[in-house]
Amino acid sequence: EILMTQSPATLSVSPGERATLSCRASQSLSSNLAWYQQKPGQAPRLLIYVGSTRATGVPARFSGSGSGTDFTLTISSLQSEDFAVYYCQQYNTWPRTFGQGTKVEIK
Amino acid sequence: EVQLVESGGGLVTPGGSLRLSCVASGFSFSSYNMNWVRQAPGKGLEWVACISSSKYINYADSVKGRFTISRDNAENSLYLQMNNLRVDDTAVYYCATESWLDNWGQGTLVTVSS
Repeated sequence: EILMTQSPATLSVSPGERATLSCRASQSLSSNLAWYQQKPGQAPRLLIYVGSTRATGVPARFSGSGSGTDFTLTISSLQSEDFAVYYCQQYNTWPRTFGQGTKVEIK
Repeated sequence: EVQLVESGGGLVTPGGSLRLSCVASGFSFSSYNMNWVRQAPGKGLEWVACISSSKYINYADSVKGRFTISRDNAENSLYLQMNNLRVDDTAVYYCATESWLDNWGQGTLVTVSS
């Protein structure tokens, strides 16, 4: 099973600032990695797939990068609606696995 | 518009069984890989099972031998038969499409408690 490790666990950011979230896999994923956003009481929402492709309707301030074992989600200028929990997930190998999440909170 | 609607959750005692359903609309259901993903209260996401468009199946180790995923393409429906339920199976269960989980339902809560 591939272990996905996200850092930091919590990120305190002021609105308008840049946020950088990290996801590391215990073995290579090629680019088979997705990022999700989840707000309280809601289902997760796909943001990024294939490491760097934005899903339909996702604002351009969200960008993904990386391949192999190290991946990054960057939110260029945080808006109020971006404060949420973010998860990475690998779909390169069975079983699919998620990171433990990074909570982006208001500083 | 893609819609996924889960149902079938509820309260069950340890060792009991439950069958979850997910009805899909707005896309060609038979062509899509379908997944179940769960989230225990206050915890992160855990992938549970996947059935491909050609009915190839994979499970998480934590549910293998106890849960069975299936689909009925004529009814645009996905199912999860859950047997021998344990307290740690308590979670919101979501159905979601494809490998990168691009569409999600609203979830159905399963509570396993005596």
